[in-house]
Amino acid sequence: DAGVTQSPTHLIKTRGQQVTLRCSPKSGHDTVSWYQQALGQGPQFIFQYYEEEERQRGNFPDRFSGHQFPNYSSELNVNALLLGDSALYLCASSVAFDGPWGYTFGSGTRLTVV
Amino acid sequence: RKEVEQDPGPFNVPEGATVAFNCTYSNSASQSFFWYRQDCRKEPKLLMSVYSSGNEDGRFTAQLNRASQYISLLIRDSKLSDSATYLCVVPYNTDKLIFGTGTRLQVFP
Repeated sequence: DAGVTQSPTHLIKTRGQQVTLRCSPKSGHDTVSWYQQALGQGPQFIFQYYEEEERQRGNFPDRFSGHQFPNYSSELNVNALLLGDSALYLCASSVAFDGPWGYTFGSGTRLTVV
Repeated sequence: RKEVEQDPGPFNVPEGATVAFNCTYSNSASQSFFWYRQDCRKEPKLLMSVYSSGNEDGRFTAQLNRASQYISLLIRDSKLSDSATYLCVVPYNTDKLIFGTGTRLQVFP
């Protein structure tokens, strides 16, 4: 049973560029959440997608946007990259309305902005 | 006040020691709480959940004090393999997880 798959695993971008990160949820899961984890910090909630719509959003600027596809996979887009966007980006999938117990995290995409 | 606060550590303990981590939270409406374990440069993984006063799983015990809005994780008989960062997690609106900054544990021989 495949877990949560994220791609790419590592990425280096230049300030001002745009980046797209991808996530395939665990089989049977229909909800995808994205988290940003800066070095030495806990993961911070970016947003959650369900039924192809953004369901909840954390305190992140509009430069951060996302999308969910009919097959439940999701993308996270970040525009106008800043050095401070360097972090581990984690995708977590779950089943809607099942609560937080069934969260499964992917291994993340490590983004470095230079 | 931060939503979830933890002592960042690091805690350096010898094998066999007992170590306890503390966590405070600000949302008094929260009903369930989690401890996640995160190995270096890996994803967080659920270690334990606690809903009532406490939960025990082998060498690990999680306790909850709702009046003080305080959660703890106790690890007995520490193993080298317990070395990791332990994240206190409070769900918000049943879907969004609020993480603490994590407490780093290093167990030495």
